[in-house]
Amino acid sequence: GDSVTQMEGPVTLSEEAFLTINCTYTATGYPSLFWYVQYPGEGLQLLLKATKADDKGSNKGFEATYRKETTSFHLEKGSVQVSDSAVYFCALSADNNDMRFGAGTRLTVKP
Amino acid sequence: SAVISQKPSRDICQRGTSLTIQCQVDSQVTMMFWYRQQPGQSLTLIATANQGSEATYESGFVIDKFPISRPNLTFSTLTVSNLSPEDSSIYLCSVDKGGAWDGYTFGSGTRLTVV
Repeated sequence: GDSVTQMEGPVTLSEEAFLTINCTYTATGYPSLFWYVQYPGEGLQLLLKATKADDKGSNKGFEATYRKETTSFHLEKGSVQVSDSAVYFCALSADNNDMRFGAGTRLTVKP
Repeated sequence: SAVISQKPSRDICQRGTSLTIQCQVDSQVTMMFWYRQQPGQSLTLIATANQGSEATYESGFVIDKFPISRPNLTFSTLTVSNLSPEDSSIYLCSVDKGGAWDGYTFGSGTRLTVV
């Protein structure tokens, strides 16, 4: 079945460091891909999305490109801030009723 | 996107009791989803709730343990019954306003601790 494999954490970075969180997927169809963020004590928020190959999703300085050839959707940010400390989930949906999540990666950014 | 009000935000419950979690959406939605997030883990779909029909449960989840109500297009409840410490988790409701292609909107979650 469809699944998402996400880079294991936790990840600890200094402020202004470059961030990459790897995500690869397995799907029989043509899924949409998402990154969600969960700040401490809160629910999940959609961070960005891409619905077809070569699309780039971006939001709040984060970017991810839908790479069909490598079945990947890696999350990147050029300069992280302390406020980016959260858990990040990669997810896919191959139809309107089934969202599958990766294991989550906890990011801690130190000043 | 939709706004979801979920409550309670947290609770501590005794073994053998039940907890009912409520989700109110600010607009009508066809489908609502209930997830469980065990400590340090990802989200697992418990069930999908459509208005006017029985909820559809995922493998490993049964109606007797997780009864769901969906009385109208803006509201749903999840009850976690006969609580045990293994039920200690965060429970989240979500909706697919606009379809899953646009991503789901999530409630803020209910952190349940069973003692």
